[in-house]
Amino acid sequence: DVQLVESGGGLVSPGGSLRLSCAVSGFTFKDYGMSWIRQAPGKGLEWVAVIFGGGDEMHYADSVRGRFTISRDDFKDTLSLEMTSLTTADTAVYYCAKTPGRGLFDYWGQGTLVAVSS
Amino acid sequence: DIQMTQSPSTLSASVGDRITITCRASQSVSTWLAWYQQKPGKAPKLLIYRSSSLESGVPSRFSGSGTGTDFTLTVTRLQPEDFATYYCQQYETYPWTFGQGTTVEV
Repeated sequence: DVQLVESGGGLVSPGGSLRLSCAVSGFTFKDYGMSWIRQAPGKGLEWVAVIFGGGDEMHYADSVRGRFTISRDDFKDTLSLEMTSLTTADTAVYYCAKTPGRGLFDYWGQGTLVAVSS
Repeated sequence: DIQMTQSPSTLSASVGDRITITCRASQSVSTWLAWYQQKPGKAPKLLIYRSSSLESGVPSRFSGSGTGTDFTLTVTRLQPEDFATYYCQQYETYPWTFGQGTTVEV
């Protein structure tokens, strides 16, 4: 079975940094793109970033470009999101999702909550 | 950015009903349109991709249609487990964007 398990969320002060991880199993990780999508409390879904197989191509939402960095370790089957200069607007549940092709999210993790507050 | 607008925002329905949710894009996305279902406290689930293709394992009472800027998700014979929030999403252009969601409630 495909499994995606996020970790690394928590409470951080404005201006702080946090690194999220997503451990995957059940599919050949290196062959697929992977994305991060977030959902602020009580709000809708916002795509954050994608990294394609090989790790050479990444894209970001305007709201996080320059502050967040998506990366992958194809040996450890792990996806990461390095988040810096966090603001209260970044408070959300962050989901990792398998991206089998152009922009689809066919398997999702359970999410990890990032709360930015003083 | 391509704006995705869903209507209605909330839909009241009963078990056995046929419901339709509309999604409009601010510019053409061809058929690069997906639908997701989300239940409270859970991750979204992919239902439909390429506007009308049913994801494996999704019941056939779900269907999608449309091209360009106007799309619909239809659920025939609504079941108790179908009460949830539904999102459309375009993946024609970066940034990939979602609609604001439609909550189907009793």
